[in-house]
Amino acid sequence: DLVMTQTPLSLSVTPGQPASISCTSSQSLLQSDGMTYLYWYVQKPGQSPQLLIYEVSSRFSGVPDRFSGSGSGTEFTLKISRVEAEDVGVYYCVEGTHLPWTFGQGTKVEVK
Amino acid sequence: EVQLVESEGGLVKPGGSFRLSCEVSGLIFSGAWLNWVRQPPGKGLEWIGRIKSKAYGETKDYSVPVKGRFTISRDDSKNTLYLQMNSLKTEDTAVYYCATDLRWGHWGRGTLVTVSS
Repeated sequence: DLVMTQTPLSLSVTPGQPASISCTSSQSLLQSDGMTYLYWYVQKPGQSPQLLIYEVSSRFSGVPDRFSGSGSGTEFTLKISRVEAEDVGVYYCVEGTHLPWTFGQGTKVEVK
Repeated sequence: EVQLVESEGGLVKPGGSFRLSCEVSGLIFSGAWLNWVRQPPGKGLEWIGRIKSKAYGETKDYSVPVKGRFTISRDDSKNTLYLQMNSLKTEDTAVYYCATDLRWGHWGRGTLVTVSS
């Protein structure tokens, strides 16, 4: 089965500073159609998961441009250019091509 | 605006059964593929099942831990998704979310099902 591994598992960031989360898959996520169905979600305290990035690098509607996604194959990264207090939460990468959807363990982001 | 609203969760004894529903609005329900995802308290997200639309035969897929115990169904006339959970175990204790495809990002608020004696 596919395994998604996130690092770090927790992150404490000063407001205004950048943050980066890595997600590594146990096999290439590049599909035969040329697409890579890797998503980033954030789950803010007490809320359901919210989509940030779809297909590696496309920002979902309404997501601030301080969030960006990159990567290919087995290595992916979510970057927050300047962390704000509202960015507190647990960030998950998830692969959605195959079933089961495979989530990373989650990275807890704390804002100092 | 797309909304998914799960029914109220509850407390059920090990070995018991429970049914959740998820009312969906704001999208063409009959064409939607719908999922259930759960989250044990303090832990990460776990996909547990999906039902395709009628046009795709309402095909159902399940994760290994719930296969044979959980059943997903849908009623397109009521815009409602269901999750029938049987032979419940303590490890099924979780917040249960209904969700559309990952690409669209629509999730319910979740509902807690606690399995405990």
